Amino acid sequence: DIQMTQSPSLLSASVGDRVTINCKASQNINKYLNWYQQKLGEAPKLLIYNTNNLQTGIPSRFSGSGSGTDYTLTISSLQPEDFGTYFCFQHNSWDTFGAGTKLELK
Amino acid sequence: EVQLVETGGGLVQPGRSLKLSCVASGFTFSSYWMYWIRQAPGKGLEWVSSINTDGGSTYYPDSVKGRFTISRDNAENTVYLQMNSLRSEDTATYYCAKDGILTRFAYWGQGTLVTVSS
Repeated sequence: DIQMTQSPSLLSASVGDRVTINCKASQNINKYLNWYQQKLGEAPKLLIYNTNNLQTGIPSRFSGSGSGTDYTLTISSLQPEDFGTYFCFQHNSWDTFGAGTKLELK
Repeated sequence: EVQLVETGGGLVQPGRSLKLSCVASGFTFSSYWMYWIRQAPGKGLEWVSSINTDGGSTYYPDSVKGRFTISRDNAENTVYLQMNSLRSEDTATYYCAKDGILTRFAYWGQGTLVTVSS
């Protein structure tokens, strides 16, 4: 099985900050990497699919990059509604999620 | 608009069974694979099962293989998860999900909570 190592597990930031969240796969996942945002008590919401494609309706301050085993989610200017937990997810082989990054207000 | 509505969760004793349902609307149900994903309280996400468009192929991780069965009724736009021999570690919110045009798990239901406890 492919393991997804997500970092950091906790990120404290302020409104307006540029933040990055990383995900490292245990083997090449061929850019089949999605990013989800989850707020307390809600289902995960797809932000970015297949490394760098913005899901419909998601603000352009969210972007994704990467290849091979290393992937990054970037929020260019943090907004109050962006706080929550972020998960990476690979669907190259036997779907697996990262453990999550909790983004909190500094 | 895509809608996925899960029902059937609740409190169940270890070793017993429970069947979850997910009713879909807003898309051509019979054209999409469907999935169940779970999240233990305060924990991460785990894929639980997949079913292809006609129900002829199903997939599970080792953690539930042999205990859980996914099925679907395309006439009723519904996907099911039959959970047998439940364990405390199966306690979680269970989500159903569908693919987008180009990717997995683009749309999720609101989830249904399953608590396995005596």
